[in-house]
Amino acid sequence: EDKVVQSPLSLVVHEGDTVTLNCSYEVTNFRSLLWYKQEKKAPTFLFMLTSSGIEKKSGRLSSILDKKELFSILNITATQTGDSAVYLCAGPFTSGTYKYIFGTGTRLKVLA
Amino acid sequence: KAGVTQTPRYLIKTRGQQVTLSCSPISGHRSVSWYQQTPGQGLQFLFEYFSETQRNKGNFPGRFSGRQFSNSRSEMNVSTLELGDSALYLCASSSQQAGYTFGSGTRLTVV
Repeated sequence: EDKVVQSPLSLVVHEGDTVTLNCSYEVTNFRSLLWYKQEKKAPTFLFMLTSSGIEKKSGRLSSILDKKELFSILNITATQTGDSAVYLCAGPFTSGTYKYIFGTGTRLKVLA
Repeated sequence: KAGVTQTPRYLIKTRGQQVTLSCSPISGHRSVSWYQQTPGQGLQFLFEYFSETQRNKGNFPGRFSGRQFSNSRSEMNVSTLELGDSALYLCASSSQQAGYTFGSGTRLTVV
C-alpha cells in the first residue's frame, strides 16, 4: 500500500533557526512529490518535485528529492514566526490520476 | 485567475440530515478532488472526478457521494450525517504541471 511518512510530528524552534522537515514514501508508481503549507485553512502549494537531486528554492524555503532512497526534505532557513504552520507532503503515486496521498504533516511552531 | 471556490464556508447540521457541498475549480482545470480533514486522521482522500467521471474513490462509506458537471463544477453529498462526519472538507483542482490547488474548504459541524 502506498504511504507517506513525515517526521518529526512537531517541532518548536526560535526565530532565526534553520529547520529540516522529512518526508519518506513507499510507492509502486512514483510520479511526483508535493509540499504544502497549511495555516488556518486550505493548504497552500510550495513545491512540486519530480527529479532526484534538483533543489527547488523559494526565498528561505528549499526542497530536494532523493528517488533512490525514497525521501524528500524541506528546509527553512532564518525561520520567522510567520513560518508557524503544518507542513504536508503528498504524492500522486498512481499514474493517470490525481489521487494524492498525504502525510500527517509536521507542525512547526516558531517562537519570537 | 480565480482560485478554487467552495461554498458554503461553514455548515451546521444535525445527525441524520444530509448535506451538499459545492466546488468550482480553477478555469480550465478538469480534475476535481475532495478530501476530508480531521485532527485525528489528517487529509483523507474522498474521490476524484475528471470530465464528469469518477476516476478514483477513497475508503469512505457509500453515504459519501459526488458528481461533476460539464462545466467542471463538482458537488459532494453526505447523507445520514453522523457526528464523526464533522470535519473540514477540502476541494482541489488539478493540472499536470501545478499539482493541486485547494479551495478554502467547508467546515461542517454535525450536532
